[in-house]
Amino acid sequence: EDKVVQSPLSLVVHEGDTVTLNCSYEVTNFRSLLWYKQEKKAPTFLFMLTSSGIEKKSGRLSSILDKKELSSILNITATQTGDSAIYLCAVYYSGTYKYIFGTGTRLKVLA
Amino acid sequence: GAGVSQSPRYKVAKRGQDVALRCDPISGHVSLFWYQQALGQGPEFLTYFQNEAQLDKSGLPSDRFFAERPEGSVSTLKIQRTQQEDSAVYLCASSLVPGGGAFFGQGTRLTVV
Repeated sequence: EDKVVQSPLSLVVHEGDTVTLNCSYEVTNFRSLLWYKQEKKAPTFLFMLTSSGIEKKSGRLSSILDKKELSSILNITATQTGDSAIYLCAVYYSGTYKYIFGTGTRLKVLA
Repeated sequence: GAGVSQSPRYKVAKRGQDVALRCDPISGHVSLFWYQQALGQGPEFLTYFQNEAQLDKSGLPSDRFFAERPEGSVSTLKIQRTQQEDSAVYLCASSLVPGGGAFFGQGTRLTVV
């Protein structure tokens, strides 16, 4: 069965800390992996990683895809309270039309 | 519009009532998705449209759920005879091309009482 697993389920850190969130997947014919940030509303698109783009960076956020290990990490450096959110990972694969989501990692950054 | 727009933002329905949820995707986006998100869970796929064609409805939980996108733009998700277990946030997303980055609307929080 195709699935996406995220870890940890929740994380509490202090401002300025660096965090690493994990996403592993079991799908056939992988095409892309997406990271989203979800606060109280809709998931906000962060990155899309594919075989031709395995590393992305935007400000304090960066993400790497490891196709061999079927996983991805999302790094956030110098965390701020505004980074508090649920971070969702989703995978898209050939032969389907849908993104499969993990349950998310709930990050709380304390001042 | 600049982003995906959903309405209403909140809906309270009495059990047995029919509801209709609307999604306005980003202009020109070919792909449109509906997802259901329960509290503390990741979004669960309901259905997918490519233009006006509904290519995958495997996630619709029962025949009480129906979705359409007649002109390849605005989509409506209809739930008939709502049940308490239908209470969730319903998210709509669109992408420019199939498999591209999907952008979500604000969601409709449905509460069935």
